[in-house]
Amino acid sequence: GAGVSQSPSNKVTEKGKDVELRCDPISGHTALYWYRQSLGQGLEFLIYFQGNSAPDKSGLPSDRFSAERTGGSVSTLTIQRTQQEDSAVYLCASSHGTSGYVYEQYFGPGTRLTVT
Amino acid sequence: EDQVTQSPEALRLQEGESSSLNCSYTVSGLRGLFWYRQDPGKGPEFLFTLYSAGEEKEKERLKATLTKKESFLHITAPKPEDSATYLCAVPGKKGAQKLVFGQGTRLTINP
Repeated sequence: GAGVSQSPSNKVTEKGKDVELRCDPISGHTALYWYRQSLGQGLEFLIYFQGNSAPDKSGLPSDRFSAERTGGSVSTLTIQRTQQEDSAVYLCASSHGTSGYVYEQYFGPGTRLTVT
Repeated sequence: EDQVTQSPEALRLQEGESSSLNCSYTVSGLRGLFWYRQDPGKGPEFLFTLYSAGEEKEKERLKATLTKKESFLHITAPKPEDSATYLCAVPGKKGAQKLVFGQGTRLTINP
């Protein structure tokens, strides 16, 4: 079946502009995650959605970052007033729902964000 | 703080030369250890999940094992197409669903 999809695949923006990144999870997966991968850095957790529960926003680096998930499916990550240090690959993942059990996460291809 | 350390950072092997990658972790109450493969310009691809010490899983030329402190990814008679970065990850603090990733091992298999 279809995997996790993300759009756009590449985004170049000027410093100070807002950007929106989109993620379509695997059908039937109730959990959705955003991570960031910077050059030379490991994958860094940003935010996690599970069903109708309040999202875990503990990884968001600043209040310029926000995310929403509509209808329990598609998610959008928004970065306001982008800075050069926001340049990275933004990865979305999805998994089956959790209740204390940790399932494997399936990743999308990522969106490469470049802030000039 | 939960930590995941992978070694070596990079490894070059000749085709057919077997070796092992290491992933050590410090996390209380392990709720699984995950191995991923990442090719350049792509997202991580899930390989294995291990849940308890002594558990082993295999897929083609790869075998993952788990002890109470570390995991190994054994690569037997590798081929050039096994070249990739291999990542391991563990769930964060109890109750959290995020994965904490190591820095990865960049594996190159020369023909």
